[in-house]
Amino acid sequence: GQNIDQPTEMTATEGAIVQINCTYQTSGFNGLFWYQQHAGEAPTFLSYNVLDGLEEKGRFSSFLSRSKGYSYLLLKELQMKDSASYLCAVRGSGGGNKLTFGTGTQLKVEL
Amino acid sequence: KAGVTQTPRYLIKTRGQQVTLSCSPISGHRSVSWYQQTPGQGLQFLFEYFSETQRNKGNFPGRFSGRQFSNSRSEMNVSTLELGDSALYLCASSLVSGGAGEQFFGPGTRLTVL
Repeated sequence: GQNIDQPTEMTATEGAIVQINCTYQTSGFNGLFWYQQHAGEAPTFLSYNVLDGLEEKGRFSSFLSRSKGYSYLLLKELQMKDSASYLCAVRGSGGGNKLTFGTGTQLKVEL
Repeated sequence: KAGVTQTPRYLIKTRGQQVTLSCSPISGHRSVSWYQQTPGQGLQFLFEYFSETQRNKGNFPGRFSGRQFSNSRSEMNVSTLELGDSALYLCASSLVSGGAGEQFFGPGTRLTVL
């Protein structure tokens, strides 16, 4: 089966750095995705990791350790607009575009 | 370039009825995936279509079905609606099936079953 865990809620201060963790147990692994979803809107793609290591894209970075079944999303220089739900999703061995999503981490950025 | 469009945006149905939702992917995209989003369960994969063929299927009952047309537009159908089918139904389009292909989500169809 597939199981993805991430914290339900996090709060951080504008300008700070926040790390959102995701652990997974899946039957096979073929990539890990992070999506951002603002309330009432569709999810938007943030990052994709398939090999171990850090992928950096502007203020956002994502890390993957396949042996530990672990990933994190790092958000730097937090802005109020970063308040959103962050979804971790894994593609298993079935291939294609079938993703198993975690329930999301609701991030609140405060002044 | 137009994004993913879904119609209708809102639907209200009663138990036992059936419903058809439509998704038009980004031009040139051949993969369309469908997801159900509820507050308790989060996003759950329903199925993926690629070049008119079902590529993957999630763990939903047979009441949930879909298809894809030659122009890559996709429809999903839910028969014999139940209260628990109330959810946001999202479709996502991608250029390819698999790989690093980013999935672009549509705005969703909010289905309410009374």
